[in-house]
Amino acid sequence: DTGVSQDPRHKITKRGQNVTFRCDPISEHNRLYWYRQTLGQGPEFLTYFQNEAQLEKSRLLSDRFSAERPKGSFSTLEIQRTEQGDSAMYLCASDTELTGSYEQYFGPGTRLTVT
Amino acid sequence: AQTVTQSQPEMSVQEAETVTLSCTYDTSESNYYLFWYKQPPSRQMILVIRQEAYKQQNATENRFSVNFQKAAKSFSLKISDSQLGDTAMYFCALEVVTGGGADGLTFGKGTHLIIQP
Repeated sequence: DTGVSQDPRHKITKRGQNVTFRCDPISEHNRLYWYRQTLGQGPEFLTYFQNEAQLEKSRLLSDRFSAERPKGSFSTLEIQRTEQGDSAMYLCASDTELTGSYEQYFGPGTRLTVT
Repeated sequence: AQTVTQSQPEMSVQEAETVTLSCTYDTSESNYYLFWYKQPPSRQMILVIRQEAYKQQNATENRFSVNFQKAAKSFSLKISDSQLGDTAMYFCALEVVTGGGADGLTFGKGTHLIIQP
């Protein structure tokens, strides 16, 4: 078990460009979450997948954001037409309902800087 | 909607001392879980301790324990015999479990804990 991985770890982009992040959850975990964390704040929930189904989306997830988990394994988060306000750490987490513990395991995050 | 409030932005204690981090929360749901997560500098978030709302007994994990006051909606974390490696941001988090399963975590703003040698 290698834990939750995220790629890339850092991304610098110009305003208006599109970016895509990838998250690989722990292999036996069927639930996957995306969060956004800005400096000095706690993470904020963005969206959640159970297997390949996207079950919950926060109002923070504007139309420029889209997430997929096509085969119920890895997930991608795409931001279109990036804005400076999108600069943040994007965290991915996974868990499984089988244990009933609701303990989420977090990845190292992708730090996005929009210039 | 759920809210989590951490009123201590930063705390500093000497190594080996005991420190308590405060957290209050609000939810109208009856089935939920509470967590304390630790985020060391430039490292990923890890779970410190969790508490099921339906359990009256306070959770304990080695040097870490909680004081869960359900009626007051309070969930504080006590760290005993603090160590330099405890220096980190600590986040209190709430997860509501409904018939459709668990939703995402709601986090507080965090407390920056500094352990001084």
